[in-house]
Parts: sequence; C-alpha cells; structure tokens
Amino acid sequence: EPEVTQTPSHQVTQMGQEVILRCVPISNHLYFYWYRQILGQKVEFLVSFYNNEISEKSEIFDDQFSVERPDGSNFTLKIRSTKLEDSAMYFCASRASGVSQETQYFGPGTRLLVL
Amino acid sequence: AQSVTQLGSHVSVSEGALVLLRCNYSSSVPPYLFWYVQYPNQGLQLLLKYTSAATLVKGINGFEAEFKKSETSFHLTKPSAHMSDAAEYFCAVKDLRGNEKLTFGTGTRLTIIP
Repeated sequence: EPEVTQTPSHQVTQMGQEVILRCVPISNHLYFYWYRQILGQKVEFLVSFYNNEISEKSEIFDDQFSVERPDGSNFTLKIRSTKLEDSAMYFCASRASGVSQETQYFGPGTRLLVL
Repeated sequence: AQSVTQLGSHVSVSEGALVLLRCNYSSSVPPYLFWYVQYPNQGLQLLLKYTSAATLVKGINGFEAEFKKSETSFHLTKPSAHMSDAAEYFCAVKDLRGNEKLTFGTGTRLTIIP
C-alpha cells in the first residue's frame, strides 16, 4: 500500500541553524501538507500546498518557514533559523484530488529537537 | 471557525469492554469528520471518516462512529477492547468551504487493562 515517507526520522540542531525536513508524498497525490505536534499538545496545521503554491497557511507559518516541491517527488519544509520552540514532531501529509478524496494520509513524522 | 473538543485526555477500559471516545465539533458549515489513531512512535493512521453519506461509519480494527448533527458529536466506539487498541486517538474536522486544513482535538490516550 502506498504511503507517505519522511526523512530524517529524528533531527537535532542548534538554535539559529537552518533545517530542511523532507517528505515523499504518495505518488498520484496533488495536495500536500505540513503539520506539527509539540510534545504533549495537539496536532496543528502549518501549511497546505497545491499546484506549486501555498493554498493556505496558519499563523504559525511565519517568514521563518518555507515549503518547496523541488522535483516531482519530494516536498520539503525549511525552517530558516530555528528557535527552541520549534522543537516538535513534524508530519507531512498528502491527498488525492477529485470527488470523495478528502482523506489526508500522514507520514511517520520527523522529530525535531532544537538545542 | 471550526474546532474539536475531545472529552477525557485519558481513558482506561478493561480488555473486552466497550470503548467510547468522545468528540464534539463546532463548525459553521457541514463538516467532514475524521478519527485518526497514533501508536507509540508512529504517525497518524486514519481509522474512519464521515463525509455526509451514512451517519454511522465503520472503520478499521472494529471501530465505528456515529455522526449526530443535533448533538454536534462524532463519538468513536468499539464493542470489545483489545490490548492492541492502546494508542492515542485524535478527532479532526475539516469544513466544506474549501479550506484545506484539518483541525484536531487534543487527543485521548486509551489504555487497556488486562
């Protein structure tokens, strides 16, 4: 069964450093998402991406964040200058287009720790 | 704005007993509703979803949920708990206005007592 994959599974970085989290969505999906889950808190929406542009973003997704689909398979989240409060589990998700294709399929996550 | 409330951050049931996890939503337009499960150190797996068809929805692993518009609820149930059901369960809502985001509840951690 096709699945969303994410790399790395864990990332430790120093405050102020740039990180890039990578995702490979399900191959025929056209909508892509990033969510995060701070330890002990709920899953929060960050951004959605369709047709090579951001379709929706939350207030969390400020200028320090960016997303890109650099090729036909990868979808990346870049945090330009990490803060301590960026420590969280980051989930990528994707969904197909079309009628009755509302389900977002999630990857296993990247646990980011900012020191 | 849409929101989800999950009553009970922790629920414990005995193996073989009924599982009931509560979810109430708020949405100004008819929503789509989802239950996801998160096993330790894993991602979110879809259990079931409501998308304005049948109000009683059956999902994987013997779970089901009933959409009740009058109560704005979408509670998750399973007649007989199994040890493997121990996990965190998240209810999520997506409205039909074209917004892409899922709004999640705070989650309920289900513990199964042998």
